Parts: sequence; structure tokens; C-alpha cells
Amino acid sequence: DTGVSQDPRHKITKRGQNVTFRCDPISEHNRLYWYRQTLGQGPEFLTYFQNEAQLEKSRLLSDRFSAERPKGSFSTLEIQRTEQGDSAMYLCASQRSYGYTFGSGTRLTVV
Amino acid sequence: AQTVTQSQPEMSVQEAETVTLSCTYDTSESDYYLFWYKQPPSRQMILVIRQEAYKQQNATENRFSVNFQKAAKSFSLKISDSQLGDAAMYFCAYRGLMEYGNKLVFGAGTILRVKS
Repeated sequence: DTGVSQDPRHKITKRGQNVTFRCDPISEHNRLYWYRQTLGQGPEFLTYFQNEAQLEKSRLLSDRFSAERPKGSFSTLEIQRTEQGDSAMYLCASQRSYGYTFGSGTRLTVV
Repeated sequence: AQTVTQSQPEMSVQEAETVTLSCTYDTSESDYYLFWYKQPPSRQMILVIRQEAYKQQNATENRFSVNFQKAAKSFSLKISDSQLGDAAMYFCAYRGLMEYGNKLVFGAGTILRVKS
């Protein structure tokens, strides 16, 4: 069990640029979640996959956000035309049964 | 929609003492799970304890225990014999079983400071 890996750990980008984050879940976990966490707040749900199927998307996930999980393995979260309000920590978690394992997150700063 | 409320933005405890963190939630479901997660400055969320709503017995994990009051929709975390390593942000989280799928709904968190 190597845990949930997220890459990169930190990303600084200029407003208007596109960014993509990657999450590698625990291999036998079929569910994968993306959350966004702003400073001093709890994580907010963005979207969730069961295997390769995206089953739920939050209203927080605007048209500029897209997530994929090809082949039910790793997942990517892309943000197009980034805005300063997108600055946050993006957390990935994978799940099997009742156990959720979180990654260390990707901290995005939009300047 | 489910909501989770943590009314204590920050708490302090002396090392070796006991502290209780509060959490209330709102739901129309009868079966669900409740969790306490710890997030140290390294930012990785770590599960502290889990409670199934159908179980009346309060969950316990070593120095950590909960007081689950289903009728009151209250789920507090008690940390006994506090240690410096307990200092972190603590989040209460809810997971429904039926209408709201598998996602966790988090509260805003409580910062716990441990004084030596």
C-alpha cells in the first residue's frame, strides 16, 4: 500500500493559464474523489469516480473544470483559464469499503 | 443537503489533559457514518475515528473516543492524555448511505493547540 499520490505538490500559475493535476489512488480502490480546500476551511466535494465513470459533480465544478479517470486508474483534474479564486489546495482521496485515504494535495496559487 | 457544523474554531489543551471537540450535523437519513479526521501541518488528512449511526455504542480508539447522540445529531470527539503530536486541525465529516452517495461532507474544522 503506497498510499495516494498527488502531483505536483505545488503549482504557481498566472491567471488565465490552464493547469492539470494528477492523482494516483491506491490500486485496489475503485472510488476516487476530488476535493477543494481553501485556507482555514474544510474540504469541499468537487467530483467522484467509480472506476472510470464520473458519477457525481458538485455545483462548484464550473465549466472551466474537468476531471477524468481513464481506465479506472489515475485521475486528472484540469482547470482552464485559471482565476485567482481557484487558489486552493486540491485533495484527492480513494476509497474501498468504508475507508478513505487522502493524498497530500496539490496547492495551487494563481497570481 | 447535509451540513456539518463545528462551532469551535480553535481549542487549547494542556499536555496530558483532556479536551472535547464539538460537532453537530443535519440530515434526514437514518443510516450514515460519521468521522473525525486530523490534518497536521503536513496537510495529509488522517482518519482518527469512525462511528456507524446504527451502532449505539460510542466508538473508541486508544486515547480518542466519541460521544454520539443520534437524536441530538451531535458527535463530539474526546482526546484524553493529550500529546504534543495531537496538535492539528480536526475535521468532523458525514457520509450518507442513500440519497447523497459516498462523498464526505466536512465541517469547517477546529484548530487544536497543545501546550507543554
